[in-house]
Formats: sequence, structure tokens, C-alpha cells
Amino acid sequence: AQSVSQHNHHVILSEAASLELGCNYSYGGTVNLFWYVQYPGQHLQLLLKYFSGDPLVKGIKGFEAEFIKSKFSFNLRKPSVQWSDTAEYFCAVWGYNKLIFGAGTRLAVHP
Amino acid sequence: DAGVTQSPTHLIKTRGQQVTLRCSPISGHKSVSWYQQVLGQGPQFIFQYYEKEERGRGNFPDRFSARQFPNYSSELNVNALLLGDSALYLCASSLGSGQTKSPLHFGNGTRLTVT
Repeated sequence: AQSVSQHNHHVILSEAASLELGCNYSYGGTVNLFWYVQYPGQHLQLLLKYFSGDPLVKGIKGFEAEFIKSKFSFNLRKPSVQWSDTAEYFCAVWGYNKLIFGAGTRLAVHP
Repeated sequence: DAGVTQSPTHLIKTRGQQVTLRCSPISGHKSVSWYQQVLGQGPQFIFQYYEKEERGRGNFPDRFSARQFPNYSSELNVNALLLGDSALYLCASSLGSGQTKSPLHFGNGTRLTVT
């Protein structure tokens, strides 16, 4: 069965700290992976996506993610977070005409 | 350009009632998908429509139905509401039916509360 697992439900960081959010997937076909972000009161927005090629993917707002096929992982990273990164982050895999989302990670960044 | 618009933004219904949620896709987008997001969980796929035809259905009971109109807008209907149907219902549109050709653009959602 297709599934996405996000390791941390809540993460609290101070500004300038480094961020890494874990994501593991289970899917047997060609893997298309995504990270979405939902800022408070706003709609889901695409941060970055991986379809093929370079496993290190760069997205908007300084985020990047690395696809490691052997570990079935697609972790999200940012070297230095800002207060404005406070949001909920969702990892997702595309399969059979739908996005399969993880449960999400709530990130709170304190000034 | 306007994004995906959903109406209403909030809705309160009682158990057993029926509800209709509406979605207007981004201009030029022919695919509309519906997702349910229960508090504390990620969005769960309900339906996808492309060119007015159903292209996918998630693991939801027959009380859930949807349709897409010639102008590509869409409605999601839920009959015989249960308390567990309380959730944020998200609509997403895209150019094509496959994610690899165009990403999904999400609306702000309709918050449904069933009492």
C-alpha cells in the first residue's frame, strides 16, 4: 500500500537554527515526491518537487530536499529558519492520479 | 490571476443533513480534485475529475459524490452527514490529470462542522 510517514509531528526551533524534517514513503512505482507548506490561514503551497535527475532538489524560500532511494526517504532541510517559516509542512507522493500525504509536521519558530 | 476559489469558507450542519461544497479552478485548468483534511492528519484524496469525467475515487463511502461542470467548476456533495465528516475540504486544480505535467494548486478550503 502507498503511504507517507513523517517522523515529527511538532518541531520547535529558535530563529537561525537548522531544520530537517523527515519523510519516508512506501510506493512501488515511479516516484514523484513533494513537500507542501501551509502557513497559518493560507492554502497549501508547493515548496519543491522531485520527479527525476539530481536527488538534491532546491525549492522556494531557501528550502531543499534530498531523495535517497535506498532509504525511501525525502527529507526537507533549511540551513537557517526564520520566524516566518512557522507553518505546517506536508510530504506527499504522487500515485494513481492522487497525492498521498503524510500527517504533517507543525513547525514553530521562536524569535 | 485568481487562484482556486472555494465556497463557502465555513459551514455548520447537523447530523443527517446534506451539504454541497463548490470549487472554481484556476482559469485554464481542466482537472479538479477534492481532499478531506481532518484535524491532525494530512489531506486524504476523495475524487479527481478531468474534462468532466471522474478519473479517480478515494476510499470514501457512497455518501460522497461530486461532479464537474462544462466550465470546469466542481461540486462535492455529502449526504447523511456524520460527526466524523467534520473536516477541512480542499479543492485543487491542475492543467492536466497527471501531477507530472502540472502541479496541484489548492484553494483555502471549506471548514465543515457537523454537530
